[in-house]
Amino acid sequence: EAGVTQFPSHSVIEKGQTVTLRCDPISGHDNLYWYRRVMGKEIKFLLHFVKESKQDESGMPNNRFLAERTGGTYSTLKVQPAELEDSGVYFCASSPRALRTSSYNEQFFGPGTRLTVL
Amino acid sequence: DAKTTQPPSMDCAEGRAANLPCNHSTISGNEYVYWYRQIHSQGPQYIIHGLKNNETNEMASLIITEDRKSSTLILPHATLRDTAVYYCIVRLLNQAGTALIFGKGTTLSVSS
Repeated sequence: EAGVTQFPSHSVIEKGQTVTLRCDPISGHDNLYWYRRVMGKEIKFLLHFVKESKQDESGMPNNRFLAERTGGTYSTLKVQPAELEDSGVYFCASSPRALRTSSYNEQFFGPGTRLTVL
Repeated sequence: DAKTTQPPSMDCAEGRAANLPCNHSTISGNEYVYWYRQIHSQGPQYIIHGLKNNETNEMASLIITEDRKSSTLILPHATLRDTAVYYCIVRLLNQAGTALIFGKGTTLSVSS
């Protein structure tokens, strides 16, 4: 079974430019999450989709960030315009819909996209 | 904010057991203890979780104190590939799709 994939693995852009990150979750996983780690800080939650709907976007830092998950499959995270402080590693994770009898709710993470804003 | 406290770093000799402590004194009765790790340049990886009983899987063992205010992750025979940042996280079970709240974690360095 393929894991969570993210594209690109690295992106270097200049301040003010736009970048779009893509995440392909594990097939059949309804839940999709975005996290990021900026330099020297902890991994922070950005938002969560259940299928195509945004369930929780409390972690989105500002309106320069736009996440979509059309069709409930892959997701994109667009940063427009990018600022220096957006540099960091952006992780995507997915998990199956939790069942009443489920004993855990493991999130499967992708390898991340390293974004550098110059 | 993270509800757990972990030492910032630990060292372990290859082949020895690595015991990583975690304090979660404010844990509530329906919160589980989860452990994830992040190996350099990879995404976080689930290790194990538990409520109040000790748990073991192919990766590690989890020992939770009777009062549930602390726990220990045990890697029985650490290898160089176990060098990573280990995160102890408390969260509700079956809270479908809730975010993981990562703290600073413990950087485990395994050396030969």
